[in-house]
Amino acid sequence: SQTIHQWPATLVQPVGSPLSLECTVEGTSNPNLYWYRQAAGRGLQLLFYSVGIGQISSEVPQNLSASRPQDRQFILSSKKLLLSDSGFYLCAWRDTFGLDEQYFGPGTRLTVT
Amino acid sequence: SQQGEEDPQALSIQEGENATMNCSYKTSINNLQWYRQNSGRGLVHLILIRSNEREKHSGRLRVTLDTSKKSSSLLITASRAADTASYFCATDAWGTYKYIFGTGTRLKVLA
Repeated sequence: SQTIHQWPATLVQPVGSPLSLECTVEGTSNPNLYWYRQAAGRGLQLLFYSVGIGQISSEVPQNLSASRPQDRQFILSSKKLLLSDSGFYLCAWRDTFGLDEQYFGPGTRLTVT
Repeated sequence: SQQGEEDPQALSIQEGENATMNCSYKTSINNLQWYRQNSGRGLVHLILIRSNEREKHSGRLRVTLDTSKKSSSLLITASRAADTASYFCATDAWGTYKYIFGTGTRLKVLA
């Protein structure tokens, strides 16, 4: 069965510091991978998605970037965090052909102080 | 941008009652999914319904899809306090790889 991991679960970072959030998927090959952000009490905003290694599509221009160095690894980064980057970050995957369900990881709660 | 909107934004019912949430979307879709999110937690997948399907059931959940009206509904029957959560719909438009989420319905089931 497939499993998706995210870490860390919680992160408190000062403004201006770098960020690296990691997501890995087990039990599947060549998944489509996604990063979403959820502000407190709000819906999910799609940030990035990837259909293969090194292929990244950005949905919202912002202070963040994403990379996919390996088939089942998706990384969300920032060189300098802003207060507005605070939120709940969720990684998700779906199968190669994008035909079926999308499953989410447990999320990372980021607080920028 | 938000593709879907859930209605109502918040719903409070007594345990044992049925809860109905609606989702409207803007463009033609491949699939529509419903998720549950408990406070501060990740999203749990509930049901996926394809554009050529009209109704699906899973336990106490019933989902309908009306592509002519670009809308879907989620019915939870015989609700329980444990059903208290936010519920989101998500749609993927034809020719895309991505799901876009609605704004969610916050359901509170009172014991």
